[in-house]
Amino acid sequence: AQKITQTQPGMFVQEKEAVTLDCTYDTSDPSYGLFWYKQPSSGEMIFLIYQGSYDQQNATEGRYSLNFQKARKSANLVISASQLGDSAMYFCAMREVGTYKYIFGTGTRLKVLA
Amino acid sequence: EAGVTQFPSHSVIEKGQTVTLRCDPISGHDNLYWYRRVMGKEIKFLLHFVKESKQDESGMPNNRFLAERTGGTYSTLKVQPAELEDSGVYFCASSQGIGGSYEQYFGPGTRLTVT
Repeated sequence: AQKITQTQPGMFVQEKEAVTLDCTYDTSDPSYGLFWYKQPSSGEMIFLIYQGSYDQQNATEGRYSLNFQKARKSANLVISASQLGDSAMYFCAMREVGTYKYIFGTGTRLKVLA
Repeated sequence: EAGVTQFPSHSVIEKGQTVTLRCDPISGHDNLYWYRRVMGKEIKFLLHFVKESKQDESGMPNNRFLAERTGGTYSTLKVQPAELEDSGVYFCASSQGIGGSYEQYFGPGTRLTVT
């Protein structure tokens, strides 16, 4: 069965430093997509970044990058130059190609310290 | 372009009462999804609409939950009668397509508390 594991319930990072949020996944399907979402205290879920299982390069979007290690089944989110506004809950999610359901992890709460 | 909106943002009801949650997807998005997050646990899929048709309701917990999407626009999720374990945050999402890199756009959620 598909599963997403986020082992860090909470993380702290100093402003302007980089932080890595861990995500491991389990699937037997060779085709899948991995997503990261940010949920600030206001509640909305904001899409951050996408990585397809066949993508050759790691995805990057501004200060966000995805450290995709297929053999280890990990898709860690790296946030560079953390800002106070990055304080939020972060969810890793997976969707198998041809389906529409997201499988989510339990989330990691990130707090950026001034 | 307006995002996915949900109403109400919070609802507190007593066990046994009925609650109806509403979701307005992004205009033009045929695909609409409901998810739920129980406190401290992962967000779980409830069901998927394509236009007005239910494509998959495998995640619906039981027959106390009824989702509709009349006319293929907004959707409602009714819980009747509500139980304590129904408390959580109910998210609605919509997407233009399915699969591939089509991301789902989420609403802010409705926090339901059953006392």
